[in-house]
Formats: sequence, C-alpha cells, structure tokens
Amino acid sequence: AQSVTQLDSQVPVFEEAPVELRCNYSSSVSVYLFWYVQYPNQGLQLLLKYLSGSTLVESINGFEAEFNKSQTSFHLRKPSVHISDTAEYFCAVSDQGDDKIIFGKGTRLHILP
Amino acid sequence: DAMVIQNPRYQVTQFGKPVTLSCSQTLNHNVMYWYQQKSSQAPKLLFHYYDKDFNNEADTPDNFQSRRPNTSFCFLDIRSPGLGDAAMYLCATSTRTGLNTEAFFGQGTRLTVV
Repeated sequence: AQSVTQLDSQVPVFEEAPVELRCNYSSSVSVYLFWYVQYPNQGLQLLLKYLSGSTLVESINGFEAEFNKSQTSFHLRKPSVHISDTAEYFCAVSDQGDDKIIFGKGTRLHILP
Repeated sequence: DAMVIQNPRYQVTQFGKPVTLSCSQTLNHNVMYWYQQKSSQAPKLLFHYYDKDFNNEADTPDNFQSRRPNTSFCFLDIRSPGLGDAAMYLCATSTRTGLNTEAFFGQGTRLTVV
C-alpha cells in the first residue's frame, strides 16, 4: 500500500525568502504525485501534479516540485514566498491504475513579516 | 462553473443522533470520495466509488455508511455520531482518464457533535 511522509509539520520562513517543503512516498508500483493547498476552513485545492514526462512540474503561482524516483521524493519549492502563501500544504500519492489518493499529514507554512 | 458542492458547510448534531452529509458534483466524474480530516491531521480516506462500485477502507468504522444514488450525488451517513467523529468531512471527485487524473474537492462540512 502506498504512503506519504511529510517530515515537517510546520515551516516558518521570512517573506521573500525561499522555501522547501519535503515529501517522501512509498509504493511498490508507479505513482502519480500531487501537492494540494488548504486555506482555513476550506477544501483542498490542487497546486501541481506529476503524472509522467518531465520530472519538474510548476504551478501558476511560482511553486515547483521535482519528482525524484531514486529518492522517492516530491519536494515542493518556491524561490520567494509571499504572505498570501500562508496555508497548509499536503502531499498526496496515487498508484497508477488505482483510484485511491493518500495524503500526508500536511505542512503548515508560516510566513514571517 | 463545474464544481463539487457540499452541504451544509457547518453541521451540529447531538451525540448518537444520525446525521447525513451531502455532496453533489457537476463535473460528471465517475469517482467520488469521502475523506475525514481532524485538526492538524491528514485527510483520511473513508470510502470511494467508481460509478456504483463501492470501496470501503478496511479501517472505516461501521458507524459510517455511504450512498451514491446517481453520478451527481453522494451522501455520508453517520448512524450514531460520537464525540470522536467531530471533524471536517471532505468530498472529492476524479475521473479515471490518465493525464486528467486529479481530485477536485468541495469546501468541506465541519461536523460538531454536542
């Protein structure tokens, strides 16, 4: 069965500084990988996804993530964060050919002024 | 706009009193999910449907049931809510079409048990 580990429950970072949110997964088969963002009392919104092809995927608001099969990782990065990026970020995995999507415990990104 | 709609956004129920949460979608997706999310925890998959095929997670309590009468609607029934069932309940949909695979979430229903 697949699983996701997000090692950092909270990440404080100063505004305009770079950030990396870590995600590692385990699965015995090929996977799809996702990052979702959740604002307070809201549902989850897809930030970006890796399905196949280029291992570097980007979102429209400056986030990017790189699929590293050898390290079973899908870390999320942004070169310069903004106060509006304050939210909880969830990494998720789905085995190819399976409908189940399994989430990590989430990382709360806290932007310091 | 096509979307996933959950009603109500906030639900208060009494301990032991059955409650039903609703989800509807206009995306015409064949897969629908129910997740339970407690404070500062990962969304936990309770069950999902592929069309009418129901898939129950092994650790989903018997107290939780679900119905999907048609493609657009899905319901979560909690037969006898306990204090430990207080959580955010998230409905999501997806379509099993390769490169379009991703889950679309509703806004969630926050359940309080008193």
